[in-house]
Amino acid sequence: EPEVTQTPSHQVTQMGQEVILRCVPISNHLYFYWYRQILGQKVEFLVSFYNNEISEKSEIFDDQFSVERPDGSNFTLKIRSTKLEDSAMYFCASSPGQRSYGYTFGSGTRLTVV
Amino acid sequence: RKEVEQDPGPFNVPEGATVAFNCTYSNSASQSFFWYRQDCRKEPKLLMSVYSSGNEDGRFTAQLNRASQYISLLIRDSKLSDSATYLCVVKFDTGFQKLVFGTGTRLLVSP
Repeated sequence: EPEVTQTPSHQVTQMGQEVILRCVPISNHLYFYWYRQILGQKVEFLVSFYNNEISEKSEIFDDQFSVERPDGSNFTLKIRSTKLEDSAMYFCASSPGQRSYGYTFGSGTRLTVV
Repeated sequence: RKEVEQDPGPFNVPEGATVAFNCTYSNSASQSFFWYRQDCRKEPKLLMSVYSSGNEDGRFTAQLNRASQYISLLIRDSKLSDSATYLCVVKFDTGFQKLVFGTGTRLLVSP
């Protein structure tokens, strides 16, 4: 079964450092997403990406965040200057695009900012 | 009012029991509905889509009431392996196909 792959599985970083979270979506999917889940809280939408540009972003996705699809397979989330409150699980997801379809999520990157 | 609201539980049930979860959503422009399952510290996994006519997948039955903006999930003959958090998820017609998650309902099935 096709899957979304995320690396690393766990990253510890110091406050103020830049981090890049990496994702390889399912190859024939057209829409890509980042979500995050702070421990004990609900899964929250960050950003959606289609046709090589951001299609929607949430209030959480401020100027510290950026996304990129540098080649045909990778999809990255960059946090420029991490804060303690950025500590969370970050999930990448992709979908084929049809409205009734759910998404496939990657196994997540646990980001810990110290 | 929260966009997607669920009873957080936990629901503690014995093996073999039938358990039902409910969910309400606030946006009548909602378009697609799903139940996801999430194990502790793992990614959400799609359990089933929810259709207006109701749908069943083995021991799982999902219902949608658009007039009341209400979604339900029924699990029959609970197994130990059903222990997880069940997430009610809505895809709104506005916005570019983003999913909006409820906080989840935790289910604990005991022997």
